[in-house]
Amino acid sequence: SQQGEEDPQALSIQEGENATMNCSYKTSINNLQWYRQNSGRGLVHLILIRSNEREKHSGRLRVTLDTSKKSSSLLITASRAADTASYFCATSGTYKYIFGTGTRLKVLA
Amino acid sequence: SAVISQKPSRDICQRGTSLTIQCQVDSQVTMMFWYRQQPGQSLTLIATANQGSEATYESGFVIDKFPISRPNLTFSTLTVSNMSPEDSSIYLCSVEDPDRPSGGYTFGSGTRLTVV
Repeated sequence: SQQGEEDPQALSIQEGENATMNCSYKTSINNLQWYRQNSGRGLVHLILIRSNEREKHSGRLRVTLDTSKKSSSLLITASRAADTASYFCATSGTYKYIFGTGTRLKVLA
Repeated sequence: SAVISQKPSRDICQRGTSLTIQCQVDSQVTMMFWYRQQPGQSLTLIATANQGSEATYESGFVIDKFPISRPNLTFSTLTVSNMSPEDSSIYLCSVEDPDRPSGGYTFGSGTRLTVV
């Protein structure tokens, strides 16, 4: 299967701590995206990193991409209770995206 | 960014019946994507819908079970036919967002389907 693997599957942290989740994939990609999903609703696009980029920031989010290892990480700094959600990576080869297995993040107030 | 209105948000259906899910986008888009998310799982692409042509289905999904319409560049429907409890999932539509310079896809809010 092309599906990416994310780890950890679940993560529980205290408010104010940083959260790191990782995504590994199997095939060459054009770009990699991270999405957040609250309570089984629609996904919200967080950040896109292209295959020729190594690091990208957006607010409290920091994404890295290592194409030699076929892996990416998402760091959320100074987490808040509102960050509680599932986070998915999605990789693009051609016109469609393949989603990873997801990390369920719980931020405790 | 683009806004997608997806309806219904949830439904409980009897086995053997069909449900049609609608997605309306506030801008014209070439391709619309339909995903299924089974309980506790990731998203799986069902099909890609292009205006004016038949949808392209992924392995494991067939037109008879998931017929798709794409009458114009802002609208699409997905029908889940002859439902069984195994079809209980969240169904999501998605488009490549034409209004986001950095790229990325916008999703509808999802349809939570329970088949009893």
